[in-house]
Amino acid sequence: SSVLTQPPSVSVAPGQTARIPCGGHDIGPVHWYHQKPGQAPILVVSDTSHRPSGIPERFSGSGSGNTATLTITRVEAGDEADYYCQVWDVNRDLWVFGGGTKLTVL
Amino acid sequence: QVQLVQSGAEMKKSGASVKVSCKASGFDFTGHFLYWVRQAPGQGLESMGWINCGTGATTYAEKFQGRLTLTRDTSINTAYMELTSLRPDDSAVYYCARPIGGRYEAGDLWGQGSLVNVSS
Repeated sequence: SSVLTQPPSVSVAPGQTARIPCGGHDIGPVHWYHQKPGQAPILVVSDTSHRPSGIPERFSGSGSGNTATLTITRVEAGDEADYYCQVWDVNRDLWVFGGGTKLTVL
Repeated sequence: QVQLVQSGAEMKKSGASVKVSCKASGFDFTGHFLYWVRQAPGQGLESMGWINCGTGATTYAEKFQGRLTLTRDTSINTAYMELTSLRPDDSAVYYCARPIGGRYEAGDLWGQGSLVNVSS
């Protein structure tokens, strides 16, 4: 079964680059969501590196093997949110989420 | 407008059941899956299961087996999540979410969430 590991928190100054890792064993395609307090999650990257329409180019994803990374360039105050990675667990036939990373913009 | 609209907040006692609805509009309901995902206060996202809105086939996470039932009514494009034998630790916001295509794909459309509060 898939276990996805994310750091609980990442901090970055405005204008800098934030990198949020997601680790797991041979995790395959990874999807990323951000979630602001009181709101539903929003998909920001699908299939490890695809950016859905409407998502700023500042958001990008990469990865292979055991680690995927969400990169946010030119970080803005409005990017402050919880970020979750997600994969499909083939054995359980279900989505599995990482524990989430709180991005703080200093 | 493409959207998922969920039912309102529920207050329940331990041992009771809750049924949350998720009404789809703006897309082919029977051509998609819907997941149910919950989030306890201050916690992360937890996948509960999915339903194929066309065939009615379901899969449930092991921890909810026996307590969770996912159904749908294709005449009104609405999916339902029923959880029985509620406990205080079932208090959470419950979301329905639509994968882009197959059930293994990312969720590109989410409902607004339904708060369920369970008291002892």
